[in-house]
Amino acid sequence: AQSVTQLGSHVSVSEGALVLLRCNYSSSVPPYLFWYVQYPNQGLQLLLKYTSAATLVKGINGFEAEFKKSETSFHLTKPSAHMSDAAEYFCAVTAAGNNRKLIWGLGTSLAVNP
Amino acid sequence: DGGITQSPKYLFRKEGQNVTLSCEQNLNHDAMYWYRQDPGQGLRLIYYSQIVNDFQKGDIAEGYSVSREKKESFPLTVTSAQKNPTAFYLCATSTAERIQETQYFGPGTRLLVL
Repeated sequence: AQSVTQLGSHVSVSEGALVLLRCNYSSSVPPYLFWYVQYPNQGLQLLLKYTSAATLVKGINGFEAEFKKSETSFHLTKPSAHMSDAAEYFCAVTAAGNNRKLIWGLGTSLAVNP
Repeated sequence: DGGITQSPKYLFRKEGQNVTLSCEQNLNHDAMYWYRQDPGQGLRLIYYSQIVNDFQKGDIAEGYSVSREKKESFPLTVTSAQKNPTAFYLCATSTAERIQETQYFGPGTRLLVL
């Protein structure tokens, strides 16, 4: 079985500062990991995903994430926050034997202060 | 214009009433999903379908029903048995080729109880 933990339900950064959103997973088989973003009252949009190729994954809007098997982590980063990055971010995991179901974290709300 | 359409954007339900949420896609995806989103609880899977005329219960199927008569359509009915239906409902689709396929989301329907 798989699970996902997002540390910090709310994160606040200043515009131009580093963004770091944490995601730890649990999986007994090789995982596939996803980061999605949700703007208010909208659906979710894929930022990036790890599918066992490169461990450093680059996504849209300047975000990237690094898969670290030894730490069971897939943290999302962006070097310089922009006001438009304010949104809810979700980490999700799936794996073989999961019948294509995604297991979701509870989300992290990112606020960007001017 | 390819995508996923959910209607209506807002839906009001009276006590004891069944309501149906529409989800239509023209992405030619085999798999479709319904999620419920409540504040602070992330996404919870209600039902999913990987092929026409077949669907499976997710984690919170009680009080909901679905049908999959056409590849393009996966309507969700919220029945009177669902005692706390107020939430944001999201429909998603994916190809069913590999387990690491991206799920694409519609814009959502917000259901409110009168």
